[in-house]
Amino acid sequence: DAGVIQSPRHEVTEMGQEVTLRCKPISGHDYLFWYRQTMMRGLELLIYFNNNVPIDDSGMPEDRFSAKMPNASFSTLKIQPSEPRDSAVYFCASSLRGLETQYFGPGTRLLVL
Amino acid sequence: SQQGEEDPQALSIQEGENATMNCSYKTSINNLQWYRQNSGRGLVHLILIRSNEREKHSGRLRVTLDTSKKSSSLLITASRAADTASYFCATDGGQAGTALIFGKGTTLSVSS
Repeated sequence: DAGVIQSPRHEVTEMGQEVTLRCKPISGHDYLFWYRQTMMRGLELLIYFNNNVPIDDSGMPEDRFSAKMPNASFSTLKIQPSEPRDSAVYFCASSLRGLETQYFGPGTRLLVL
Repeated sequence: SQQGEEDPQALSIQEGENATMNCSYKTSINNLQWYRQNSGRGLVHLILIRSNEREKHSGRLRVTLDTSKKSSSLLITASRAADTASYFCATDGGQAGTALIFGKGTTLSVSS
């Protein structure tokens, strides 16, 4: 299995632009998680899905952030408009059972200028 | 919200020495997990210990869990330079449907 795939790996954009991050979970996994990692705040859970349905989005910082999972093999995290404070590494992870082993993608390093 | 807190924040040792990292959490759990993150990479699952287990081994890793103290420790024996990474504990909320909460990690540096 190729593992969790994320794209792009790096993204540099200017404040105000729309940013879309993509994730392909491991085939057969029914949970998908989006995290954000910064030095100051550590690893924060943004949102997670079970069987393509959003279960908990309480970690989404504000309305500028949205996430979708149109099917079992694809999810997006969108930031519109982006701000410099959104600069972070965004990770996608998937699991077969929600509270057990999670498999992380390589992350997308986002820099908003 | 409950959260695993690792201690120490940073640890520097020589190759061959043992490394011990601790994790404390606040609420009851179903399981506790340890993950490793190499620089610039995603997290990798190391080991899961359930609330009814007290100790678990995997290769050079030994994890203990004390639910009465709400704490866990990760021991890496005979460390190698390749063990240099950040180590995170993650706890669930003890309830179905809650997600894992990760601590801020211990950064381990192993020098040769």
